[in-house]
Amino acid sequence: EVQMVESGGGLVQPGESLRVSCAASGFTFNNYWMSWVRQAPGKGLEWVANMKGDGNEIHYVDSVKGRFTISRDNAKNSLYLQLNSLRPEDTAVYYCARVYCSGGRCYSYFDWWGQGTLVTVSS
Amino acid sequence: DIQMTQSPSTLSASVGDRVVITCRASQSISSWLAWYQQKPGKAPKPLIYEASTLESGVPSRFSGSGSGTEFALTISSLQPDDFATYYCQQYTTYPITFGGGTRVEIK
Repeated sequence: EVQMVESGGGLVQPGESLRVSCAASGFTFNNYWMSWVRQAPGKGLEWVANMKGDGNEIHYVDSVKGRFTISRDNAKNSLYLQLNSLRPEDTAVYYCARVYCSGGRCYSYFDWWGQGTLVTVSS
Repeated sequence: DIQMTQSPSTLSASVGDRVVITCRASQSISSWLAWYQQKPGKAPKPLIYEASTLESGVPSRFSGSGSGTEFALTISSLQPDDFATYYCQQYTTYPITFGGGTRVEIK
């Protein structure tokens, strides 16, 4: 069965860095685009970043460009998000999500989600 | 950026009611729209993609409709397990954007 397990969240001070990870299983990881989606406490969902299966195409939401970096290690079936220059407004649960693919094409609809990891930015 | 506007933001309904949640896009997104259900403390659960295709395992009381800029999620007969928050999402162009959510609560 498809499964994603996030880890690495925690409490950090403004301006600090953190790396969150997602361990995937149950599917051919390198065939899929993968994403990070976040949710601030009591708020809605916000897409953060997407990365193609081979790592050659990446997209970010404007609010994290230049501060966050998505990466992957296909040999380890793992997705990462490096969060730098963190701000209080980055406080959220960060979800790893798989992008739906069918017939050799992928569409940024998220068909499997991890349970999330909480990042809290506070002094 | 494409703005996604859901209405209502909160909906009070009873078991057995027919419920309709609407989602409007600020520009045409063809049928590139998904719906998710989320319960407190849990990850979103995919329900519908491409505006009207039911995800595997989702009960048939859920249905999606619409294209262009106007979309709807319908629950034909609300069940106790359906009380949750629902989000629409467009995936036609970056940045991918979600609606603000509709909370379905017990009347």
